[in-house]
Amino acid sequence: IAGITQAPTSQILAAGRRMTLRCTQDMRHNAMYWYRQDLGLGLRLIHYSNTAGTTGKGEVPDGYSVSRANTDDFPLTLASAVPSQTSVYFCASSPERGSGANVLTFGAGSRLTVL
Amino acid sequence: GQNIDQPTEMTATEGAIVQINCTYQTSGFNGLFWYQQHAGEAPTFLSYNVLDGLEEKGRFSSFLSRSKGYSYLLLKELQMKDSASYLCAVEDSNYQLIWGAGTKLIIKP
Repeated sequence: IAGITQAPTSQILAAGRRMTLRCTQDMRHNAMYWYRQDLGLGLRLIHYSNTAGTTGKGEVPDGYSVSRANTDDFPLTLASAVPSQTSVYFCASSPERGSGANVLTFGAGSRLTVL
Repeated sequence: GQNIDQPTEMTATEGAIVQINCTYQTSGFNGLFWYQQHAGEAPTFLSYNVLDGLEEKGRFSSFLSRSKGYSYLLLKELQMKDSASYLCAVEDSNYQLIWGAGTKLIIKP
């Protein structure tokens, strides 16, 4: 089934540990995104990538890094986790950012708890 | 600053009609989206409006007034499976999506 796969589904992590959330899509979409979703707030963009080899900062990039070595994969790394990074993380992709009707397809989410 | 406002929660009865409003203030406008998100699941695309007027898609319709910075999502013949959060998002002039906090819709029998 075409779509986006995220891993892990959920994780409990000690503060200060390094963590990588994995995201893979098989739709050959150029653009990929990482969002966090917190209760009472809208989805907030962490980082994005318009195409393989490029990345950009979103609204809340601090404490996170991404890479886009190829079209399919877009991992998100927390170098040293802090409790405020406890959230649900969604990876998403779209055919082309800035192309009009930029419909996003989302992964199932990764629930991260930092203690 | 950029802002999307929508009600936090709404309740409606199975078989009825409900309208979920969304008002926005953004730096430019390249389109407005509605997504549905069931509890514990990913958001899924419902509708897209870039021109003023009503877009109808089955039981769901979406309306846009760019001059008023206003949109609504209309759900007809409500079913229990429509219980979900409905997210309004606007694409600004930098092609960044600005998201509302979502409206949780509760359907009662």
